[in-house]
Amino acid sequence: DTAVSQTPKYLVTQMGNDKSIKCEQNLGHDTMYWYKQDSKKFLKIMFSYNNKELIINETVPNRFSPKSPDKAHLNLHINSLELGDSAVYFCASSQGDTSGNTIYFGEGSWLTVV
Amino acid sequence: AQSVTQLDSQVPVFEEAPVELRCNYSSSVSVYLFWYVQYPNQGLQLLLKYLSGSTLVKGINGFEAEFNKSQTSFHLRKPSVHISDTAEYFCAVTKNTGFQKLVFGTGTRLLVSP
Repeated sequence: DTAVSQTPKYLVTQMGNDKSIKCEQNLGHDTMYWYKQDSKKFLKIMFSYNNKELIINETVPNRFSPKSPDKAHLNLHINSLELGDSAVYFCASSQGDTSGNTIYFGEGSWLTVV
Repeated sequence: AQSVTQLDSQVPVFEEAPVELRCNYSSSVSVYLFWYVQYPNQGLQLLLKYLSGSTLVKGINGFEAEFNKSQTSFHLRKPSVHISDTAEYFCAVTKNTGFQKLVFGTGTRLLVSP
């Protein structure tokens, strides 16, 4: 049983397209995240949701719109894709949104924009 | 704001040798510290974390790390590495209050050869 699962794992798409990445966690956690890992392997938080409410938005372009239909799901929709959006996107979850809680990561979604 | 420096981008080592991966952080407030491991094409897995108490923290797979507040360091060590330890290792920091927001270093690639 995968704790944090993301789909698709690989995605190749053209500039200007709109795409979504889905994430589901079966850990019963109430907090979910999206992290972006660039080509230099630098990881940076994008969003954090607690009980479906947005609590962290790290100055991400508004072409990125997260949506949390329930506590177990956090999807990421990206409009008008640009070359610079090529990265690995990691979904993650934790129990509680406070500092120090262990964050569990999914296996990543490799997005390539051509 | 918090930041993390991992000075070594790559550390080559022979199997069964000891290894130390260095991590220094910067913060004006008290912090929690984490080490995550990323195996090829996989998500991140927590190795260990320091929240409070003993400055020597033991984690999974025989790893340990020591929190040194005066030197603002949290170096990761293993007395004897295996081929299977080959992976990318990330140090991360978050302030010890408020929402969970991990700030990652740029990672250190540990290469274990026979």
